Amino acid sequence: AQSVTQLDSHVSVSEGTPVLLRCNYSSSYSPSLFWYVQHPNKGLQLLLKYTSAATLVKGINGFEAEFKKSETSFHLTKPSAHMSDAAEYFCVVSDDTGFQKLVFGTGTRLLVSP
Amino acid sequence: DSGVTQTPKHLITATGQRVTLRCSPRSGDLSVYWYQQSLDQGLQFLIQYYNGEERAKGNILERFSAQQFPDLHSELNLSSLELGDSALYFCASSARSGSSYNEQFFGPGTRLTVL
Repeated sequence: AQSVTQLDSHVSVSEGTPVLLRCNYSSSYSPSLFWYVQHPNKGLQLLLKYTSAATLVKGINGFEAEFKKSETSFHLTKPSAHMSDAAEYFCVVSDDTGFQKLVFGTGTRLLVSP
Repeated sequence: DSGVTQTPKHLITATGQRVTLRCSPRSGDLSVYWYQQSLDQGLQFLIQYYNGEERAKGNILERFSAQQFPDLHSELNLSSLELGDSALYFCASSARSGSSYNEQFFGPGTRLTVL
């Protein structure tokens, strides 16, 4: 069965500094991977998705993620944090039965200080 | 705005009661998914419907049931409510079933509080 592990429950950065949110996955075959963001009292918004077309995936709001099969990782990065990036970020894998059930990581809360 | 709507936004009820949560998918989307987000369990998949038929089940309790109607809206019914059922319930929709590549678009959620 697929699973994802988000290595940090909280990440704190200063505005203007790089962001790195770490995610490792476990899958029996080449997975579909996603990053979703949840702002306080809001729903989940898709940031980006990996579906085997390209290992470096660019998403919205300047975020990108690199799929590394040898490391089973899918870390999320952004060159320069903005105050509005403060939110909960979820690394997600799609299940392998073809029914698109999403398996969520435990989330990483990103704190951005001025 | 994802195009997925959920009602009500908040629901407060007592233990033992029954509630119904409603979801309208994006226009044209045939698949509807229900997820539960709680502090202790995180975000968990409950159930999926595709064009009116149940397609996949996750960690859904027997006290919970769902259905998808001909107009494609879906309802999640929660009965004999317990304190532990307090959570944020999300609905999501996608265009097709059977492929891992389709995005799921999430609604704003219904916050259920059981007192």
